[in-house]
Amino acid sequence: SAVISQKPSRDICQRGTSLTIQCQVDSQVTMMFWYRQQPGQSLTLIATANQGSEATYESGFVIDKFPISRPNLTFSTLTVSNMSPEDSSIYLCSALSGPTFSQFFGPGTRLTVL
Amino acid sequence: QQPVQSPQAVILREGEDAVINCSSSKALYSVHWYRQKHGEAPVFLMILLKGGEQKGHEKISASFNEKKQQSSLYLTASQLSYSGTYFCGTVRGAGSYQLTFGKGTKLSVIP
Repeated sequence: SAVISQKPSRDICQRGTSLTIQCQVDSQVTMMFWYRQQPGQSLTLIATANQGSEATYESGFVIDKFPISRPNLTFSTLTVSNMSPEDSSIYLCSALSGPTFSQFFGPGTRLTVL
Repeated sequence: QQPVQSPQAVILREGEDAVINCSSSKALYSVHWYRQKHGEAPVFLMILLKGGEQKGHEKISASFNEKKQQSSLYLTASQLSYSGTYFCGTVRGAGSYQLTFGKGTKLSVIP
């Protein structure tokens, strides 16, 4: 299984600012994803990070708000732009790994927007 | 379409068994099960593909009935370490890997 790390692990930000979250995988993976999870809630897919092309966003999420980069097969970033308190959440990246394309998650970034 | 999990919460004593169900109104290609402890990332448990086979190891197993569009997770002889929130994630088509998660089932195992 892939081992995934994220930075930062948590942050407190001011309204109107932006935060970039980094996701690093210990091996090359075909697909990476970004999810959001409100405390005590389920996980919601934000987008699929495609290597060499633009990310694919789910309904309700747009590139201007959540720009994503995937410069190579082991790394991706998610930026939360022009933040508001409603963006306070846990952001998790995941990657496909193994012969059955199972999905493994990073430890998450806990974001609080004041 | 978000899958529906039941029950929402369950409390077990050590050694008891539990079943968590996950159902969808749409046809499914695969079902993925995760366990998440408070403040931690979801941990992958198993994946079930079309074919209805039952998978598992030791005391945690699962089945997938594609005709009924549902999956069940079986926990036998529960241990304290089984406590956490269990999520099923569903994939609707071959070649698609985006997961849609249920709302989760909170499992508490007490001594």
